[in-house]
Formats: sequence, structure tokens, C-alpha cells
Amino acid sequence: GDSVTQMEGPVTLSEEAFLTINCTYTATGYPSLFWYVQYPGEGLQLLLKATKADDKGSNKGFEATYRKETTSFHLEKGSVQVSDSAVYFCALIGMDSSYKLIFGSGTRLLVRP
Amino acid sequence: NAGVTQTPKFQVLKTGQSMTLQCAQDMNHNSMYWYRQDPGMGLRLIYYSASEGTTDKGEVPNGYNVSRLNKREFSLRLESAAPSQTSVYFCASSHQFWGQGDTEAFFGQGTRLTVV
Repeated sequence: GDSVTQMEGPVTLSEEAFLTINCTYTATGYPSLFWYVQYPGEGLQLLLKATKADDKGSNKGFEATYRKETTSFHLEKGSVQVSDSAVYFCALIGMDSSYKLIFGSGTRLLVRP
Repeated sequence: NAGVTQTPKFQVLKTGQSMTLQCAQDMNHNSMYWYRQDPGMGLRLIYYSASEGTTDKGEVPNGYNVSRLNKREFSLRLESAAPSQTSVYFCASSHQFWGQGDTEAFFGQGTRLTVV
């Protein structure tokens, strides 16, 4: 069935550092891929998405490219800020899971001043 | 702009007690969902309602029941709480069910439940 694997955290960076959070998936065909972000004490919010191969989703300086050949959707940001500290979830919607939103385990990001 | 509202925000139950988690959305969404969030396991789908009048099991439905009261409200009931149900519960909604092409979910702030 559909599944998502994320790198374990926490990831600790200094402000203005480059961020990569790895995400790989298992699914049949071409699932839609997402990154959600959860700030402390809040629910999840959609950060970006890509619905077909080679699409690049972007928002708030974050980017992720849908790579069918490597079944990956890694999240990147060129210069992180303290306010980016949060938990980041990779997720997919695919036909093997009957089109339900399936999440990875989440990666906590801590950005120090 | 309330979005998705969950009540209560925190709850402590004794084993065997029952309770209902409430969820309401004001975005006129057709589909609603209940997830639980556990450390190291991400979010797992408990039940969902693709449209008013329908409910279906998700990945981890055992020990729970749901009611789609109307288009706005979707409640989750624990009939006899167990320590394994200690978790953070999130309600979410989307305009249409994900299989119908809509792809964004809006989440409430969560209910932190502890069963002792």
C-alpha cells in the first residue's frame, strides 16, 4: 500500500543555514504529494504540493520537486529563520490508499538564532 | 475566520470512561476527517466522512465511533477509553473528498487526550 518515509529528526540548524528534509514514498502510479507544517500548539497547514512528476511546489521560500524516478519529494529552503521552527510532514494521496491523505512520521526542525 | 474548531482542547479520562470529541467547520466543506497523532508515527486516519450522511473507517478505527451530525459537524466518540487511546486528535475538512480531486485539508488545533 501507499506509504511515506521521512528522515528522523530533530534537525537543528543555525539561522540562515540551508535546509533539506528528505522524503521518499511508495505508491502505484502518480500520487499527489504534499508538505504540511505544524507550528507549536497548532494544527497542520498545507505548505506546498505537487500533483504530477517534475512539478515543483513552492511557498514561503520552501521548495520541493516531485521526482518520479527516485520516488522522492525532498523539502528545501535556502535560508531558514527561527520562525521556521516546526514539525514538517510529508504526505501523499494515492490510489492504493483509496485516495486518503497518508502522512509520514514528521521531522522536527529547530532553528537557533 | 474560525476554520475548523475542536473542543475540548485538553481532556483527562479514566480507563473505561466515555467521551465525545466535537468538531465543526464553517467553510461549507463536504468532507471531514478524524486523525490521531502519536510520537514517531505521524498522523493516522481514524474515520472519515466523504459527504454528509456517510462515514467510513480509516486506518485505525477500533475503539471509536463517529457521527456526521450535519454538514458542519463531525464528532468522534470513545465508548470505553483505554490508555492506548492517549494521543492528540485532529479533525480536518476539505471541500471535496480527496479522491474527487480536491487536495487540501484544513486542520483544527487538536485535542490532547490522556487516558489514565
